Amino acid sequence: AQRVTQPEKLLSVFKGAPVELKCNYSYSGSPELFWYVQYSRQRLQLLLRHISRESIKGFTADLNKGETSFHLKKPFAQEEDSAMYYCALSGGNQGGKLIFGQGTELSVKP
Amino acid sequence: SQTIHQWPATLVQPVGSPLSLECTVEGTSNPNLYWYRQAAGRGLQLLFYSVGIGQISSEVPQNLSASRPQDRQFILSSKKLLLSDSGFYLCAWSRDLKNTEAFFGQGTRLTVV
Repeated sequence: AQRVTQPEKLLSVFKGAPVELKCNYSYSGSPELFWYVQYSRQRLQLLLRHISRESIKGFTADLNKGETSFHLKKPFAQEEDSAMYYCALSGGNQGGKLIFGQGTELSVKP
Repeated sequence: SQTIHQWPATLVQPVGSPLSLECTVEGTSNPNLYWYRQAAGRGLQLLFYSVGIGQISSEVPQNLSASRPQDRQFILSSKKLLLSDSGFYLCAWSRDLKNTEAFFGQGTRLTVV
């Protein structure tokens, strides 16, 4: 079955601490993996995708096909990182047909 | 630039009443359009998608239907709402099936009472 699992509903860290939001997936084939973010009172928006291999706002995510994981990491969390984070996957040539995880709320305390 | 509008932002409807949520995209042509729903305690689930006018694909069986009467207009409907239809509904668009970035609307919080 195609599935994305985010085991943590809420992750709370202090400012300056490292943060890792976990994401595991199940998919028969070669999916494209994404992290979407929703800040308070803003729209859900793309944060990063695995094929870009880039760092956005200090966040990185590496696709580990062996462990079927796509964890989101940032070495030093900032208060403005507080938001809802969703991991998602898409099959090849599937456009915006995304399979989302349940989401993890990140709270960065001062 | 492209924008997506979705309304209303919140809606409270009685069980058995009809539903119509509208979504429009500006600044692009022939977008792929999507309706997602987030039920309480669950992730976003794709309900419908459309690759063109009048072309609707349903991803899950349910009490809802979708229509695309114009290129940049996507409507989510129900003839009779159920309590289980409560949730947060998001409209989204992407440029094509090869481009996997989706752009989301602000969402509609639907409460069926």
